[in-house]
Amino acid sequence: TAGITQAPTSQILAAGRSMTLRCTQDMRHNAMYWYRQDLGLGLRLIHYSNTAGTTGKGEVPDGYSVSRANTDDFPLTLASAVPSQTSVYFCASSDGASGGTDTQYFGPGTRLTVL
Amino acid sequence: GQNIDQPTEMTATEGAIVQINCTYQTSGFNGLFWYQQHAGEAPTFLSYNVLDGLEEKGRFSSFLSRSKGYSYLLLKELQMKDSASYLCGTVDSNYQLIWGAGTKLIIKP
Repeated sequence: TAGITQAPTSQILAAGRSMTLRCTQDMRHNAMYWYRQDLGLGLRLIHYSNTAGTTGKGEVPDGYSVSRANTDDFPLTLASAVPSQTSVYFCASSDGASGGTDTQYFGPGTRLTVL
Repeated sequence: GQNIDQPTEMTATEGAIVQINCTYQTSGFNGLFWYQQHAGEAPTFLSYNVLDGLEEKGRFSSFLSRSKGYSYLLLKELQMKDSASYLCGTVDSNYQLIWGAGTKLIIKP
């Protein structure tokens, strides 16, 4: 079982360009999450989705958008990238049966550099 | 406001015991997670505590005191492969997982 996959592994992006980070899970989990991880700040929630067709804003949603057209996929889009969006991005999923107390399973991450 | 505090870095010796502390102040409380993250890799689940007390899983144990807003992760018989960051996260009243900055644990031979 692949679990959660993310693409690309890493990317260098010019400021002002748009980009979509891809995330796919094969565990049929209801809930999915996007985090960014910056040195000294820990993981911060960008957006989440409790089930297909619904999304919500996390702690740091500005500059990012998401969609959840089906159970498996949860892409994160940066419409116009800025250098402060340089970070490591992790996608995660959880069963969703117990609300936010479910164990979250993380993808391998995407390292994004915005110049 | 919500706040989770962990030491930034700790050093321990192979074969020894180390305790990593986590204190939290969050709006509501619905449990506390510990995750392990090796450098350049994804976080992986270690433990979840929602009731007070100690839970043991092999070499790793996790303790929670809700009245004190305090948890610790205890690692016994340290191995070099335990060198990693350890992330503490609490589930708040909105059932969102709020993370601390993590503790980098360095194991020396």
